[in-house]
Amino acid sequence: QKEVEQNSGPLSVPEGAIASLNCTYSDRVSQSFFWYRQYSGKSPELIMSIYSNGDKEDGRFTAQLNKASQYVSLLIRDSQPSDSATYLCAVSGGTSYGKLTFGQGTILTVHP
Amino acid sequence: DTGVSQDPRHKITKRGQNVTFRCDPISEHNRLYWYRQTLGQGPEFLTYFQNEAQLEKSRLLSDRFSAERPKGSFSTLEIQRTEQGDSAMYLCASIGQGASGANVLTFGAGSRLTVL
Repeated sequence: QKEVEQNSGPLSVPEGAIASLNCTYSDRVSQSFFWYRQYSGKSPELIMSIYSNGDKEDGRFTAQLNKASQYVSLLIRDSQPSDSATYLCAVSGGTSYGKLTFGQGTILTVHP
Repeated sequence: DTGVSQDPRHKITKRGQNVTFRCDPISEHNRLYWYRQTLGQGPEFLTYFQNEAQLEKSRLLSDRFSAERPKGSFSTLEIQRTEQGDSAMYLCASIGQGASGANVLTFGAGSRLTVL
């Protein structure tokens, strides 16, 4: 079983819709959770971090964390074609904040 | 300082050759990380440094791989006797506090290795 699992997609949504991306993780001691966006041929860039149960909103993005279910999600409201990318879920368990375990990523396509 | 810098951006080599990648982190960041990413997968942790000390190495880092950060500033990742399975994007990242005060891992543009 992979430590961090994502549906690889592709997930296709129309412009203006809500895109919902999901991630599960296996290590119960995980403490920090991140969503990175990666455009084709580019490096990952951080878009959201979440550390406690519940929702965290930042502009059109909302991250949701449920530690009991070991589940993290990312909602993108009013999706734009420029949101088309691979979205990587990453988890950190220890004191080395930069040692992340990534999922394989979900490819999101927003079509006009 | 505009971010994490990696060099070269692309490297094509023949199997059996040695290659070296360089990473210059954000200047005030004392932790530096190396990751490897293959097509269709997320990045995988390889190793990290705090200042000049290499504090952890992944099982993925075989004996052919060596990383250094001699003066706690830039880092190098060397792969000896390259194999076709080494073809990947090698990502360097450094960590520091973001605007919110939380630790944020910032990636460089990566060095893409193709082994023929």
